[in-house]
Amino acid sequence: DAGVTQSPTHLIKTRGQHVTLRCSPISGHKSVSWYQQVLGQGPQFIFQYYEKEERGRGNFPDRFSARQFPNYSSELNVNALLLGDSALYLCASSLGGEKTQYFGPGTRLLVL
Amino acid sequence: AQSVTQLDSQVPVFEEAPVELRCNYSSSVSVYLFWYVQYPNQGLQLLLKYLSGSTLVKGINGFEAEFNKSQTSFHLRKPSVHISDTAEYFCAVRPNTGNQFYFGTGTSLTVIP
Repeated sequence: DAGVTQSPTHLIKTRGQHVTLRCSPISGHKSVSWYQQVLGQGPQFIFQYYEKEERGRGNFPDRFSARQFPNYSSELNVNALLLGDSALYLCASSLGGEKTQYFGPGTRLLVL
Repeated sequence: AQSVTQLDSQVPVFEEAPVELRCNYSSSVSVYLFWYVQYPNQGLQLLLKYLSGSTLVKGINGFEAEFNKSQTSFHLRKPSVHISDTAEYFCAVRPNTGNQFYFGTGTSLTVIP
C-alpha cells in the first residue's frame, strides 16, 4: 500500500511569493495534518483537517491556510513568503478516530 | 498545555553497545506517547507507540520504550545498536482530548564503528 505522498519534494521561492504544497493521505485515511520542521527542531503543528473541516490550528499567522478535498487530499498554502518560512513541511494522515499519525517524506521549501 | 523535553541533543555510541534516549513530558491531561525516527532528508517513520496497557512497548528495528507515569517519562532503548540506527529520533505526545501532536526537539544518535 502507498504511504502518504507529498509534492513537490523540493521548492525554491523568493520572498513575497506564494506557495502551494500538496499531500495525498494513505488510502482510507480521512484526516490530514500539516507540520513545519525548521532545521534542527522538532515538527510544529500547523493544521489538522478531518472530513474537509478544519479541526485544529497551531500558532501560525494567517498567511498560512489549508484545505482538504473530497478525496481527502490536502493543500497547504503560504502567502507573502518570508525567509523564516524555509523549512521541511510534513504532512501526516490518520484514520480520524485512530490515535497514530503516519508521515509523508515532506516538501523542503527554501525561501531566498 | 503540553511540552516534550528530550534531554540529550546528541548521543554518540559505539556499534553493538546499548543506548537509551530520554524523553520527559508535561501535560495536564492523559497523553498517548510516540517515538519517531527521521533519516537524513526523509520524513518521520513511526518506531513505536504507547496508547494503553503494558507500559513496556516494543517497536521496529529492536527498539523498545517504557512509559513511566509517575516520572512522566517515555525513554527509548535498544540493547545493541547498528550503524544503520544513525538518525534523528523524536519523542511526541498526543493529549487524549485532542488531535495535535507535540514533538520534542530531537536526539541525534550517531553510531560509531
